[in-house]
Amino acid sequence: AQSVTQLDSQVPVFEEAPVELRCNYSSSVSVYLFWYVQYPNQGLQLLLKYLSGSTLVKGINGFEAEFNKSQTSFHLRKPSVHISDTAEYFCAVSRVSNTGKLIFGQGTTLQVKP
Amino acid sequence: DAGITQSPRYKITETGRQVTLMCHQTWSHSYMFWYRQDLGHGLRLIYYSAAADITDKGEVPDGYVVSRSKTENFPLTLESATRSQTSVYFCASSETRGTVESYGYTFGSGTRLTVV
Repeated sequence: AQSVTQLDSQVPVFEEAPVELRCNYSSSVSVYLFWYVQYPNQGLQLLLKYLSGSTLVKGINGFEAEFNKSQTSFHLRKPSVHISDTAEYFCAVSRVSNTGKLIFGQGTTLQVKP
Repeated sequence: DAGITQSPRYKITETGRQVTLMCHQTWSHSYMFWYRQDLGHGLRLIYYSAAADITDKGEVPDGYVVSRSKTENFPLTLESATRSQTSVYFCASSETRGTVESYGYTFGSGTRLTVV
């Protein structure tokens, strides 16, 4: 079975500072990896995904993530955050298969301060 | 409009009542999912469906029932609601056929259910 651990429940950061949200996963099989963002009172929006190929994945809103197979990590980064990036961020994993199930981490609240 | 629609957006019900949450998607995606979101737990999978008439349990299925007679609809029923089922429920769909690059999960806006 797969599992996902987001290492920080809350990350406070000042506007224009860089940020890293950490995600580790556990799986005995190959996986696909995802980051989703949830703004207050909204559904989940896909930020980026790693399926195969280059380990550095670029997503929307200036976010990027790096897949590290040896460390089983998929950390999300942004070089300069904005107030509008304040949201809940979820890391998720699915098997490389046709089962389709997506397993989520507990979420990290990014609080961007002026 | 194309997309994935959940209804109702908000629901208050009493303990012991049956309640059904609706989910409708317009893409003909083969996979559909129900998740619940609770503080400190992230999103947990309740049930999922690989196609019409094919459903399977997720991580937290107890107290819930699903059906999928048509590809586009995937209702979730709480047979006898309990306070512990107060949560935000998200429906999602996914197409896992075709090229890998097309894989993706799309979520509805959620239903906030309160059981009193």
